[in-house]
Amino acid sequence: DGGITQSPKYLFRKEGQNVTLSCEQNLNHDAMYWYRQDPGQGLRLIYYSQIVNDFQKGDIAEGYSVSREKKESFPLTVTSAQKNPTAFYLCASSLSGQGAYGYTFGSGTRLTVV
Amino acid sequence: QQQVKQSPQSLIVQKGGISIINCAYENTAFDYFPWYQQFPGKGPALLIAIRPDVSEKKEGRFTISFNKSAKQFSLHIMDSQPGDSATYFCAARGTGNQFYFGTGTSLTVIP
Repeated sequence: DGGITQSPKYLFRKEGQNVTLSCEQNLNHDAMYWYRQDPGQGLRLIYYSQIVNDFQKGDIAEGYSVSREKKESFPLTVTSAQKNPTAFYLCASSLSGQGAYGYTFGSGTRLTVV
Repeated sequence: QQQVKQSPQSLIVQKGGISIINCAYENTAFDYFPWYQQFPGKGPALLIAIRPDVSEKKEGRFTISFNKSAKQFSLHIMDSQPGDSATYFCAARGTGNQFYFGTGTSLTVIP
């Protein structure tokens, strides 16, 4: 079945640690996205990539980093510079250009600082 | 700056009633308007979508009404069921084919 796989489902981070969230898709989509979801704030865009080896900052990129070395993979690193990382993180993908009729989302990773 | 404004933030409807969620936008370059449904602990899933050259689209109990001149669109859920209880997001496709999301509406359908 085609889809997006996010792992892990739950992740705990200690203060000062960097953690990496995995996102893999087998939909042959060109574009991939990372969103952060907090209660009452909807979906906020962290980073997006429309092609391999290229990515752009979204609205809340500070304290996060990404890479796009393969079309299928778009990992997100939450660095120690992110002061309030506890949130639900969603990865999404889509076709590019006028084929972008919507995003396919993964099931999310819930990150908690302990 | 919220590109797509969504209301209400939460909604409680009796089983069998009609749920209505509204969205408004300013950017006339938006050219495609999907709605997403999200259950707790899951990612949003595409529910229904509309192009701005159509005033209404219906799929089963779900209908999108679109008013291009007012730059508003809404989701109507007819005969609402407890299984419809979820968070609903409207969205709009802008330049670069990036989607902008509303802040979400938490719908609770009471049996």
